[in-house]
Amino acid sequence: GDSVTQMEGPVTLSEEAFLTINCTYTATGYPSLFWYVQYPGEGLQLLLKATKADDKGSNKGFEATYRKETTSFHLEKGSVQVSDSAVYFCALSDRSSNTGKLIFGQGTTLQVKP
Amino acid sequence: DAGVTQSPTHLIKTRGQQVTLRCSPKSGHDTVSWYQQALGQGPQFIFQYYEEEERQRGNFPDRFSGHQFPNYSSELNVNALLLGDSALYLCASSLAGSAYNEQFFGPGTRLTVL
Repeated sequence: GDSVTQMEGPVTLSEEAFLTINCTYTATGYPSLFWYVQYPGEGLQLLLKATKADDKGSNKGFEATYRKETTSFHLEKGSVQVSDSAVYFCALSDRSSNTGKLIFGQGTTLQVKP
Repeated sequence: DAGVTQSPTHLIKTRGQQVTLRCSPKSGHDTVSWYQQALGQGPQFIFQYYEEEERQRGNFPDRFSGHQFPNYSSELNVNALLLGDSALYLCASSLAGSAYNEQFFGPGTRLTVL
């Protein structure tokens, strides 16, 4: 079945450092790809998405490019802030499904220190 | 514009008991999905309701059941609770037929089974 694998956390960075969180996927169909963020004590918020190969999703300084040839969707940010500390989830949705059901990775905790 | 709301926020039950969790979708949405997020894990899809019918179901036992009301709100019921049912239960709403069936998440209900 479809699956998502994320790099193990936690990831600890100093403020203004460059961030990469790796995400790879396995899918039989042609998925849409997402990054969600979960702040402490809160639900999930959609951070960015990409729906076809070579699409780049971007939001709040975060970017991720849909790479079909490497089945990857790595999250990047050029300069992280303390407020970016959260858990980040990579997810996919099979576009052939009419439900939009999401399959998530296990999450990567990011801690940014001042 | 009210987002997705869930109640209660926290719940403590003992093994063997039954629990009901509630969700009100984002205004204008007609579809509700439920996810279980165990501690340190990514959310797992339980099922989705549309037009008061279960449209898709994940790999969860029949102890997990749901309902959708004419106003699109939804309940998740879990019978014969097990310790392993302790988790954050997330509700997500979407609009059927919309682009990518984008799902909007509520803050979740934290269930603890003792």
